[in-house]
Amino acid sequence: QKEVEQNSGPLSVPEGAIASLNCTYSDRVSQSFFWYRQYSGKSPELIMSIYSNGDKEDGRFTAQLNKASQYVSLLIRDSQPSDSATYLCAVNKAADYKLSFGAGTTVTVRA
Amino acid sequence: DTAVSQTPKYLVTQMGNDKSIKCEQNLGHDTMYWYKQDSKKFLKIMFSYNNKELIINETVPNRFSPKSPDKAHLNLHINSLELGDSAVYFCASSQAGEYGYTFGSGTRLTVV
Repeated sequence: QKEVEQNSGPLSVPEGAIASLNCTYSDRVSQSFFWYRQYSGKSPELIMSIYSNGDKEDGRFTAQLNKASQYVSLLIRDSQPSDSATYLCAVNKAADYKLSFGAGTTVTVRA
Repeated sequence: DTAVSQTPKYLVTQMGNDKSIKCEQNLGHDTMYWYKQDSKKFLKIMFSYNNKELIINETVPNRFSPKSPDKAHLNLHINSLELGDSAVYFCASSQAGEYGYTFGSGTRLTVV
């Protein structure tokens, strides 16, 4: 079983719609959860971090965490063409000097 | 000022050669990493250093040898390059206890 799994893409949404990205993780002791955005040919860029159950909102982005279900999601509201990228879910365990990444979900926002 | 800088950005070399990639961060972070991203975009940890000490060596062939002369620098030397080493290599840094990594721009290595 992979440490971090993301819903397979690609995901295509019309401009202005909500893009919903899902991620599950296998290790129950995981404590920190992150979403990175990676444009083609560029490096990953941190867009959201979440540490406790519930929702966390930042602009058009909302991260949701459910530790009991070992599930973390990212919603992108009012999707824009500039949101077209690959979104990487990353998970960290306490005192573990590494982030484990999912394979990424590629999102395309259609104008 | 670039926070995490890697050189070179592109590297094309023949099988069997030895090459190095350099990484420097000016964020004052105490932990640095090397990640490999394959053609399917999967990012996998290779090495992790905390205050110049090797913390993680994630079953990487010993042809790969990291070196950290100080906590702002982490270099990667690769001996006897193989076709399968072709990938993008990312350096990253973070402050211990905070896991928002900052990534360098990556080095695209192509072995021919």
